[in-house]
Amino acid sequence: DAGVTQSPTHLIKTRGQQVTLRCSPKSGHDTVSWYQQALGQGPQFIFQYYEEEERQRGNFPDRFSGHQFPNYSSELNVNALLLGDSALYLCASSLRGTAYTGELFFGEGSRLTVL
Amino acid sequence: GDSVTQMEGPVTLSEEAFLTINCTYTATGYPSLFWYVQYPGEGLQLLLKATKADDKGSNKGFEATYRKETTSFHLEKGSVQVSDSAVYFCALVTGNQFYFGTGTSLTVIP
Repeated sequence: DAGVTQSPTHLIKTRGQQVTLRCSPKSGHDTVSWYQQALGQGPQFIFQYYEEEERQRGNFPDRFSGHQFPNYSSELNVNALLLGDSALYLCASSLRGTAYTGELFFGEGSRLTVL
Repeated sequence: GDSVTQMEGPVTLSEEAFLTINCTYTATGYPSLFWYVQYPGEGLQLLLKATKADDKGSNKGFEATYRKETTSFHLEKGSVQVSDSAVYFCALVTGNQFYFGTGTSLTVIP
C-alpha cells in the first residue's frame, strides 16, 4: 500500500518564476493538506482540499494556490516566487472524517530552493 | 492566536536515559494535542495524541498528558533507544486547523 507520494523531491527556481508541486494521497484517502516547513521551523498550514474544493486556508498570500483532481491527487502552485518561499513543502492526506483527529499521513516533501 | 511552543534542541542522550521534551500551547477553545515524529529520511508520522484534559496519550513507550491547568503536553520516555533518534513535533488542532511547534531534534548515543 503506497503512502503519500510527492514530486519532485528537489527543485531550484529563480525569483519571479512559478512552481507546481504534486501529491498523491495514501490509498483510500480523500483529503489533502499542504504545509510549508522553513528551515528550523515547524510545518505551517497552507490549505486543505476536499471534493476538489479548497476548504480551509492558512495565512498565506494568493500567490499560493492549489487544485485537487477527481482521483484525489493534488497540486500546489506558487507564483511570483520570492526568496522567502524556499522551504520544504509537505503534503498530508487523510480521510475527511479524521482530518482533525491527528490521523494525517505525510509525504517526504518537496524541497524548493529559490535563488 | 493559537500556537505551540516547544523545547529548544538539539537534545543528546545516552541510551536508556530518561527523556522529557517540553511543549506548551496557547489556544482558544478546547484543542486536541499531538506529538508527531520524523525519522531520518521519512515523513512526519503521528506518535500519540490526547483529545481532552487529563487524557494520557501513549505509544512505543512514549507518554504525554494533556494538562489544561498548565497548558502543557510534555513528551516523556523512561528509557530511550538509539532508534528513537528523530525530530519530534508538538502540535494542536483547533478551529479545524493544525499548528505545529518548531521541532526538537533528539540524538541517542549508544
